[in-house]
This record gives sequence, C-alpha cells and structure tokens, in this order.
Amino acid sequence: AQSVTQLDSHVSVSEGTPVLLRCNYSSSYSPSLFWYVQHPNKGLQLLLKYTSAATLVKGINGFEAEFKKSETSFHLTKPSAHMSDAAEYFCVVSGFSGGYNKLIFGAGTRLAVHP
Amino acid sequence: DTAVSQTPKYLVTQMGNDKSIKCEQNLGHDTMYWYKQDSKKFLKIMFSYNNKELIINETVPNRFSPKSPDKAHLNLHINSLELGDSAVYFCASNLDWGELFFGEGSRLTVL
Repeated sequence: AQSVTQLDSHVSVSEGTPVLLRCNYSSSYSPSLFWYVQHPNKGLQLLLKYTSAATLVKGINGFEAEFKKSETSFHLTKPSAHMSDAAEYFCVVSGFSGGYNKLIFGAGTRLAVHP
Repeated sequence: DTAVSQTPKYLVTQMGNDKSIKCEQNLGHDTMYWYKQDSKKFLKIMFSYNNKELIINETVPNRFSPKSPDKAHLNLHINSLELGDSAVYFCASNLDWGELFFGEGSRLTVL
C-alpha cells in the first residue's frame, strides 16, 4: 500500500531565506509524486510532479523537489521565500486501490513567511 | 475558460436538510472526484467516477450520493445533513491518472 508523510505540520521562515518542506513516501512500486499548494480560501494548484524522469523536478514559482529513492523522500525546496509563498502545501503519492489508481494526500504543511 | 467549476461556493443550512453541490469540468478528463477537507486542512477522498462509473467509494455514509450524468459532470447530494458534515468539499478531475485539477471548493456550514 502507498502512503505519504509530511514531517512538519508548520514551517516558519523569514522572507528571503530558503524553504524546505519535507515529505517521505511509501510505495511498493515506482510511484508518481506531486506537490500541491493551497492558498487561503482557494483550490489546490499543482506545483510540480515527478513521474520517473529526472529526479530533480522544477516547478512553478521557483520551487523544486528531488526524488531520492534510497531515502524514500521527495522534499520541496525554494532558495528564497517570498511573502506570497505563505500557504498550505500537500505532498501526494499515486497509489492503487481496488485496481484503480488514486492520489493519496499527506496531511499538509502550513508555510508561514515573515517579513 | 477551461477549468473545474463547482457551485455553490458557500452553503449554509440547518441540520436535517438536504443539499446538493454541482461540479463540471471542460478539460476532457475521464475521471472526476469529490474530496472533503476538514478544519485541519486534511483532504480525504470520498468518491471517484471514471467515465460515469463509480470506481472509488471510501466508506462514506450513504447519506452522501454522487451522481454523474456524463463524464463532464459529477454532483454530490447530501441527505439529512449533520454538524460533522461541515467542511470544504472539492471537486477534481484528471486524465489517465495524471495530475489532479481542482475546483475552488464549496464551503458547507451546517448549523
């Protein structure tokens, strides 16, 4: 069975400093992995996705994530935080259930950015 | 605009009432979903339809009844609303199990 764990429920950074949001996954086969962002009172938007191509994935708004199979991790990073990055971030792994693929969400990490 | 759109955006109602939320996608996707997001932002899948066929039903109470008249629409009807049904409900769609495209959410408040 597939599962995903976001290691931090809250992360707080200062504007201009690096961002690291941690995600570990469990999968019995080579998974697809995603990061989504949710701004307040909005729907979820895809930041980036890994689907067994390059292990370093670049997304929108300067975010990137690295797939590390040996560590079963897919951490999200950004070199310099901006105030507009304050949001909820979800790590997602694809998984099979009842013969169908479904996307399994982590519990989310709330990113706060301070001036 | 191409998108996943759901209505209404806000819904306030009394316990015991019946209500519906509608969802439409014009992205040509073959699979649609309903997710429930609780007050702690946890997202839980409720249902999934693939080409109008129910494929995922995550032990949701049978007061919740999804209906998919065609592959571009997936509606959610809730009978006998309870306080615990208060949440934000998201509709989403995808193609061939790829990335999900989400609607803006429907915030349901049961008083």
